[in-house]
Amino acid sequence: KAGVTQTPRYLIKTRGQQVTLSCSPISGHRSVSWYQQTPGQGLQFLFEYFSETQRNKGNFPGRFSGRQFSNSRSEMNVSTLELGDSALYLCASSPRGLLNTEAFFGQGTRLTVV
Amino acid sequence: AQKVTQAQTEISVVEKEDVTLDCVYETRDTTYYLFWYKQPPSGELVFLIRRNSFDEQNEISGRYSWNFQKSTSSFNFTITASQVVDSAVYFCALSSNNGSSNTGKLIFGQGTTLQVKP
Repeated sequence: KAGVTQTPRYLIKTRGQQVTLSCSPISGHRSVSWYQQTPGQGLQFLFEYFSETQRNKGNFPGRFSGRQFSNSRSEMNVSTLELGDSALYLCASSPRGLLNTEAFFGQGTRLTVV
Repeated sequence: AQKVTQAQTEISVVEKEDVTLDCVYETRDTTYYLFWYKQPPSGELVFLIRRNSFDEQNEISGRYSWNFQKSTSSFNFTITASQVVDSAVYFCALSSNNGSSNTGKLIFGQGTTLQVKP
């Protein structure tokens, strides 16, 4: 059974640009969550999608957005990049949420903004 | 408010020593779930254990054991006879159902970096 796949693994972008990250969950999983990991703030929840709908949202500015497709694959977009957006972005999937199971994580996309 | 605190930023031990990683959580929900994840240098978070708020039974899995105490809101993790391969960052995390809806949201502690020296 394939795990959670995130692409690309590494990205370098310039301030002001936008970026799209992709996450393919484990087959059959309908919940996809995104996290930002930085040395200063640690792991912070960005948002969660379930059956193509945003079910939860963290405390991030509107420059951070996401969506989920009918096959449960998810993308997150960051517009007008800032230096502080440099981070490891992790995606996690679960069948329906964490009431009955754990979250399975991908290896992440490391974004560097210069 | 929901919060997870891992007071130990870094721990260094010599191989074969026992080590305990502390985790204290805050939540007003009566139903919640606690997790431990391990993050090796590759970056991926590896699941170690999940515990629900109604199950205070301690658990042992090989060299790993977990002590869940609701009275002190703690969910501590002990590695017995540590090995070099245990070196990683360990995260404690909390998830609650915010009333009635399921959720995929995890609230993480700041993590504890464990270094096991040969």
